[in-house]
Amino acid sequence: DADVTQTPRNRITKTGKRIMLECSQTKGHDRMYWYRQDPGLGLRLIYYSFDVKDINKGEISDGYSVSRQAQAKFSLSLESAIPNQTALYFCATRDSRSGNTIYFGEGSWLTVV
Amino acid sequence: GQNIDQPTEMTATEGAIVQINCTYQTSGFNGLFWYQQHAGEAPTFLSYNVLDGLEEKGRFSSFLSRSKGYSYLLLKELQMKDSASYLCAVMPGGSYIPTFGRGTSLIVHP
Repeated sequence: DADVTQTPRNRITKTGKRIMLECSQTKGHDRMYWYRQDPGLGLRLIYYSFDVKDINKGEISDGYSVSRQAQAKFSLSLESAIPNQTALYFCATRDSRSGNTIYFGEGSWLTVV
Repeated sequence: GQNIDQPTEMTATEGAIVQINCTYQTSGFNGLFWYQQHAGEAPTFLSYNVLDGLEEKGRFSSFLSRSKGYSYLLLKELQMKDSASYLCAVMPGGSYIPTFGRGTSLIVHP
């Protein structure tokens, strides 16, 4: 089983709909991140969290919100999806106490039509 | 802000050696990562350098020069399965939030 699990793995949604991407980890890491990946643009940081209820904006937070109600879970919401939010989304985790390596989930493909 | 540069695409022959460069300009420095990413899959960790020098791990080696803001990933004895995107990421000082370059797409041909 994957240590960092994202759901859904694929989703097609309509413009204006609310969509939530969930991330769950079994690694016990304190830090969690949401990135989006677009062709030619690499991975860009949306939001990050250092611990439960700690929320910080990343490079491209507009149009997104997040929630960290438990250490193991970090959810990303698009309140009103738009087509240019079509991308591959990755959740990632890191343990600040024992190293700098970041571990990624399998990714969630989101298409907004 | 952070600026990370790496070539967009490289090609190489199976069995050869390839070097993928990464240059960076950041506010402070807490380490540099290399990740491998196959199309549509999650990035997987290859290496982490925080001190100057070469770190060797099997067919893959990573080099860092902090004074030059420069790193490279060296892949030896290339295999077809090494065809992937290679991501350079830098952890700037203070924040410990990694910033990724745009990635280098490596194509290995027979």
